[in-house]
Amino acid sequence: QKEVEQDPGPLSVPEGAIVSLNCTYSNSAFQYFMWYRQYSRKGPELLMYTYSSGNKEDGRFTAQVDKSSKYISLFIRDSQPSDSATYLCAMSRYNFNKFYFGSGTKLNVKP
Amino acid sequence: NAGVTQTPKFQVLKTGQSMTLQCAQDMNHNSMYWYRQDPGMGLRLIYYSASEGTTDKGEVPNGYNVSRLNKREFSLRLESAAPSQTSVYFCASSDGGGGFNQPQHFGDGTRLSIL
Repeated sequence: QKEVEQDPGPLSVPEGAIVSLNCTYSNSAFQYFMWYRQYSRKGPELLMYTYSSGNKEDGRFTAQVDKSSKYISLFIRDSQPSDSATYLCAMSRYNFNKFYFGSGTKLNVKP
Repeated sequence: NAGVTQTPKFQVLKTGQSMTLQCAQDMNHNSMYWYRQDPGMGLRLIYYSASEGTTDKGEVPNGYNVSRLNKREFSLRLESAAPSQTSVYFCASSDGGGGFNQPQHFGDGTRLSIL
């Protein structure tokens, strides 16, 4: 079983829709949770970074962590064609330099 | 404000050839990482360096070697390239340690094809 599971998609939505992207994980020791956006032929770019459970909002993006369910989500409000990319979740343990990545969900926002 | 710089961006090799992928960061980060990204497999850690002078194996280290040349630079070497090493290679850095993990910052990758 992989440490981090992520639905590969692709997920296709119309412009303006609310998008929900999700990851599940198996290691209860994970405490740091990240979301990256990766455009085609580019490196992953950090979008959101949260510690432990709860919500964090940044503009149109909201990251949510539910440690009891081992489930994290990224919500994108008012989605734009420029949001079309692959979204990777990542997580790590306290005081541990290794990060575990999901395989990424490809999102397509249609104009 | 370059961040993480990888060279070369593209490379084609023949089976059995060797090459070194270069990575440099200008953020004064302690930790550096090498990943490979393959379709459907996500990012897989090859090697990492928690701090200058140390290196450790990741998930898929076979066929690779690394050198942490100084705090800024971390290179990945393929001694005898194999077609299975055809992939996109990403270097990343983070200011990890001290009990509080900082997220990683990535370069734009090296696309490597081995014939």
